[in-house]
Amino acid sequence: DQQVKQNSPSLSVQEGRISILNCDYTNSMFDYFLWYKKYPAEGPTFLISISSIKDKNEDGRFTVFLNKSAKHLSLHIVPSQPGDSAVYFCAARLYNNNDMRFGAGTRLTVKP
Amino acid sequence: AAGVIQSPRHLIKEKRETATLKCYPIPRHDTVYWYQQGPGQDPQFLISFYEKMQSDKGSIPDRFSAQQFSDYHSELNMSSLELGDSALYFCASLDRKTGANVLTFGAGSRLTVL
Repeated sequence: DQQVKQNSPSLSVQEGRISILNCDYTNSMFDYFLWYKKYPAEGPTFLISISSIKDKNEDGRFTVFLNKSAKHLSLHIVPSQPGDSAVYFCAARLYNNNDMRFGAGTRLTVKP
Repeated sequence: AAGVIQSPRHLIKEKRETATLKCYPIPRHDTVYWYQQGPGQDPQFLISFYEKMQSDKGSIPDRFSAQQFSDYHSELNMSSLELGDSALYFCASLDRKTGANVLTFGAGSRLTVL
């Protein structure tokens, strides 16, 4: 049962434009959401997170939006840069046992 | 700061052999996750452990087993290796007791099955 879903396996955008990566979840027990970024041959690294009590968190070019009623979150990258090309994973934490669930990832390609 | 240590970094095995990968989490982290990333594929969750007990199970084959030891390090044992097991295996750790939210990943162990 995949509780965290990233329905777009890949996304391609032009440098300087906005990248929007989406994530949907089904479990109402998630209380914290995170985005990880992964380059080839490296382990994923933490990018940005948001608590379920908020609807937006911003860190430089990266903004995460949370829509609890729709059980949807998104990561916005503005402006996109070629160095942002990577696989992005959405993750969610279960509040009752702190276990983590990951989405399958979205491969972002930013073209110069 | 200490990170997640995985060993070996590279491993070459023949078909039908056995391989063991090790993961040493960040000190005081009580939770370990294992992921498998095949060539050209995205990482797939295999299994996780919390306080030495299996916490969650993903797409781990029956030929694979894993455990977390008293010092919280974890080992992934793979038997009857197949060509399709060639992949990068990532381990990640988390201090679940503190309610920490961010997994820290190791650099991965690359297994090649010939």
